[in-house]
Parts: sequence; C-alpha cells; structure tokens
Amino acid sequence: EADIYQTPRYLVIGTGKKITLECSQTMGHDKMYWYQQDPGMELHLIHYSYGVNSTEKGDLSSESTVSRIRTEHFPLTLESARPSHTSQYLCASRERGDTGELFFGEGSRLTVL
Amino acid sequence: RKEVEQDPGPFNVPEGATVAFNCTYSNSASQSFFWYRQDCRKEPKLLMSVYSSGNEDGRFTAQLNRASQYISLLIRDSKLSDSATYLCVVRYNFNKFYFGSGTKLNVKP
Repeated sequence: EADIYQTPRYLVIGTGKKITLECSQTMGHDKMYWYQQDPGMELHLIHYSYGVNSTEKGDLSSESTVSRIRTEHFPLTLESARPSHTSQYLCASRERGDTGELFFGEGSRLTVL
Repeated sequence: RKEVEQDPGPFNVPEGATVAFNCTYSNSASQSFFWYRQDCRKEPKLLMSVYSSGNEDGRFTAQLNRASQYISLLIRDSKLSDSATYLCVVRYNFNKFYFGSGTKLNVKP
C-alpha cells in the first residue's frame, strides 16, 4: 500500500473561503504532483514539484498555489474558493529514477457552494 | 487535441470473456507507457507498464506500437473484480504524466 495521505477527504465550503488541501507522503519521494479530476473525465495536472523549494504549474491553469518546504509535504491552497473549483483533487508522488509508478492519495473531494 | 485518447465505453462483458481496450497518444516523444486502474470514486493504481516488446501479467497483456502511437490492453477470462475504469497513461518530458479519460469495463455474472 502507498503511504500517501490527503486531508480532508471531503470538504463542503462557501464561496470566498480560503482552503488548504494537505498531502503527505512517508516514502521519501522527490517528485510530487497535484491532479484535478471531474467525474468521468481525465486527470489534469495542475502542479508538480521535483523536490524541496521546487514547484511548477501544470498544463491545466489553476488558481491554486502550492508549496514544498519539506520533502514529505505538498499542500495546495485556494485563496478564495469559487463554485468552479468544485472537483476532486488527487495528490501523487513518485520516486527518483525512471520508474513510472505514481502513488496516489485517496483524493480530496471539494464542493464550493 | 487531447494528449491521450480512449474509447470511454462502457464495455459490458460476461464473466470469462476476453476484452481489449485501445488508446492513442499524440506526442511521438512520449517515453513511457502505462495502464492504470481506477475503481469508482477511488484513486488510480498502476496496473502495468507497457513495453515495446509487449508484456504480460497473468490475465493481462499490454502492447505498444510506437509507429502508430497506439497502446492496447487485453484482459482474458474476465472476472467480476475486473470491473473498473482503465486509464491509459503516457509520460514525456521526464516528469509529466498524461492520462486518458479512461475506458469503463463492466463484467457481468
């Protein structure tokens, strides 16, 4: 089993609130990712990190921001949530090297009213 | 244009059937190829990597055709537990993974 954890699993919040989705992994992986997935749709990469103090935006434009101050921790923040942010957010990590396996957390399902 | 295209299905098959899924990818510089499985409202999990020479893992066989930019997955002797969405995934630029929207499989008793 993968040791990657996301909290909260479910969040219902009002428009304009600031939220942080937490993601932690205990595998010592350098590379971490945030994906956004709507029901029945593909995963879209919104942020990734090669290591501490390294973050990049993904291909899907997102108003969220991320930080990577510690190897094991990769939180995602929305300063002002809107209904258009309603989605599932999946965090993943991958070890150094050429292995392709992404280990995913169970996801954070966000609903903005 | 999507990076990875898959037939969304659903494929409804009886137990014991053989079923095949395909996907195509748009970037010829893609470096690695995978099939992931995603159960309803769960996270994706790696099913198998896909190699140019083709590879097999039990009832599952994956094939890659680089010239046609085409990947396939064959499932033999389908089980009820195989019911899930199968995601085709390609990697390029070393660290970026691109997911198809998935093919849904329903295995019926």
